[in-house]
Amino acid sequence: NAGVTQTPKFQVLKTGQSMTLQCAQDMNHNSMYWYRQDPGMGLRLIYYSASEGTTDKGEVPNGYNVSRLNKREFSLRLESAAPSQTSVYFCASSERGRAYGANVLTFGAGSRLTVL
Amino acid sequence: GESVGLHLPTLSVQEGDNSIINCAYSNSASDYFIWYKQESGKGPQFIIDIRSNMDKRQGQRVTVLLNKTVKHLSLQIAATQPGDSAVYFCAERPPNDYKLSFGAGTTVTVRA
Repeated sequence: NAGVTQTPKFQVLKTGQSMTLQCAQDMNHNSMYWYRQDPGMGLRLIYYSASEGTTDKGEVPNGYNVSRLNKREFSLRLESAAPSQTSVYFCASSERGRAYGANVLTFGAGSRLTVL
Repeated sequence: GESVGLHLPTLSVQEGDNSIINCAYSNSASDYFIWYKQESGKGPQFIIDIRSNMDKRQGQRVTVLLNKTVKHLSLQIAATQPGDSAVYFCAERPPNDYKLSFGAGTTVTVRA
């Protein structure tokens, strides 16, 4: 099983450019998430999707949009990239988005984005 | 702000020794606590979790201890190996929520 697949792995943008990070999971998970990881700050939730057809803001949603295209795919879009969005982005999925169980997340390998 | 944090950002361990990675949390009502391992250039991987009604849980070479009195979580790795070099994150799942809150991570370096 591939698990969670993210593309691209690396991207360099100029300030003001737009781009979309793609994510797909093959585990039939209901919930999907986008995190960003910055040095010394751990993982911060940008957006999440509890189930197909729903999306919600996380801790740091400003400057981002998401689309839950179907059960498998969850994309993250930067409409006008800023240097502050330079980060490593991780997509994750979990079996169910309900408040029981540990809700263990399966992560992709990450997408390293640099905004100049 | 973050409700989960780790005591030390870095830990250097001699190969073969036991490692202890600490984590302090602030939400006393959290239901689950989870440890993740992130190797260089990879995404975090699940190691072990523990429910709030437990004090200890063991896995393969790892043990997680939960002290609710002082809101402290630790991950013990027995006989640390070079492959254990990574960043370790603790995460908590608050009550009535399924989204995890992550700490900043501890970088473990294993010395040969």
